[in-house]
Amino acid sequence: DGGITQSPKYLFRKEGQNVTLSCEQNLNHDAMYWYRQDPGQGLRLIYYSQIVNDFQKGDIAEGYSVSREKKESFPLTVTSAQKNPTAFYLCASSIKPDYNEQFFGPGTRLTVL
Amino acid sequence: GNSVTQMEGPVTLSEEAFLTINCTYTATGYPSLFWYVQYPGEGLQLLLKATKADDKGSNKGFEATYRKETTSFHLEKGSVQVSDSAVYFCALILSGGYNKLIFGAGTRLAVHP
Repeated sequence: DGGITQSPKYLFRKEGQNVTLSCEQNLNHDAMYWYRQDPGQGLRLIYYSQIVNDFQKGDIAEGYSVSREKKESFPLTVTSAQKNPTAFYLCASSIKPDYNEQFFGPGTRLTVL
Repeated sequence: GNSVTQMEGPVTLSEEAFLTINCTYTATGYPSLFWYVQYPGEGLQLLLKATKADDKGSNKGFEATYRKETTSFHLEKGSVQVSDSAVYFCALILSGGYNKLIFGAGTRLAVHP
């Protein structure tokens, strides 16, 4: 089955710790994205990658970092510099950067204690 | 700037009632328009889309028509079911460049038997 997997589904971290969220896709898509969702709000773009070894900041990149060493993987690190990290994080991918349909993973809910 | 505005929820309906969720947008250029659905605790699924004016997107009994003159993309369904209970997001992508999805805040739909 082709799709996007995110792990873990729930993640708890202590304040001041970095944490890495996993996103893997087997759809052979070039482009991948990370979004943040807060209660009662739409999704906001954190980072995106159009191709392997390349990524750009989205609207709310401060306190986050990413890497794109493999086509199928786009991990997101939430650093201690992120002031309000508790949120639902969604990964998405699209066939090409300019293709207008994105497919989403199931999400990871991060809670900072 | 570019933005999407949705009617506030929650929308509460009885089974078999008619559904309308309003969505209007502001965009430079000619966007593609989308409705995504999010079931509790899950990621987003694409429900329908329209890529140019007067296009009608449809799926699973839901419909939306791209109205350029009123900059709207209202979601409708003739007879809702309990299983339609979810959060619905209207979104747009601008043509050209990378695929930045711009989301509305989401509208929660609750359908009662």
